[in-house]
Amino acid sequence: DAGITQSPRYKITETGRQVTLMCHQTWSHSYMFWYRQDLGHGLRLIYYSAAADITDKGEVPDGYVVSRSKTENFPLTLESATRSQTSVYFCASSILLPNSGNTIYFGEGSWLTVV
Amino acid sequence: DAKTTQPTSMDCAEGRAANLPCNHSTISGNEYVYWYRQIHSQGPQYIIHGLKNNETNEMASLIITEDRKSSTLILPHATLRDTAVYYCIVTNAGKSTFGDGTTLTVKP
Repeated sequence: DAGITQSPRYKITETGRQVTLMCHQTWSHSYMFWYRQDLGHGLRLIYYSAAADITDKGEVPDGYVVSRSKTENFPLTLESATRSQTSVYFCASSILLPNSGNTIYFGEGSWLTVV
Repeated sequence: DAKTTQPTSMDCAEGRAANLPCNHSTISGNEYVYWYRQIHSQGPQYIIHGLKNNETNEMASLIITEDRKSSTLILPHATLRDTAVYYCIVTNAGKSTFGDGTTLTVKP
């Protein structure tokens, strides 16, 4: 059971470059999420998706683009990376079950440094 | 999704119960209370959740007040490995926001 996997796990890039973080889940969960976590802070929601071809903004969407052409994949793109986007990025997924809520499962994180 | 308020940090003695509070005064009727924890820089892990009733599993207990405006996560016998950041969120689906959580430090 692979679960949810993120790649790359570690990335150093230069200011202005485009970077794509990949996320893949094997559970066929309908919901997927991208969060960022700056050093010493909590999680902030960037974008989320309720299903394939349905995405919506979270708390901090500026500077990021997402797509979801397939249920299992939810890539996050930084179109022109800035130093302020240096962070740990967590992908997550969940499935909404009747009378049971939607438990979120997280990937291991992608450490991104923008120099 | 309703927002939650948690203390920034708490300490607990090893072997004692850790009681972590959470306020969620604007919770909607169909929103669940969820607790997660994050150890070091790993991805957060699910602990427990509930809607109205108190819940217990092998990891913890969740006490939800009758008006559902607050809850308490109880770790009955805290160990050093329970030192982590604990997040309380309320959600039914979709936009699930986490905030900064409570940093619990279990001391010997």
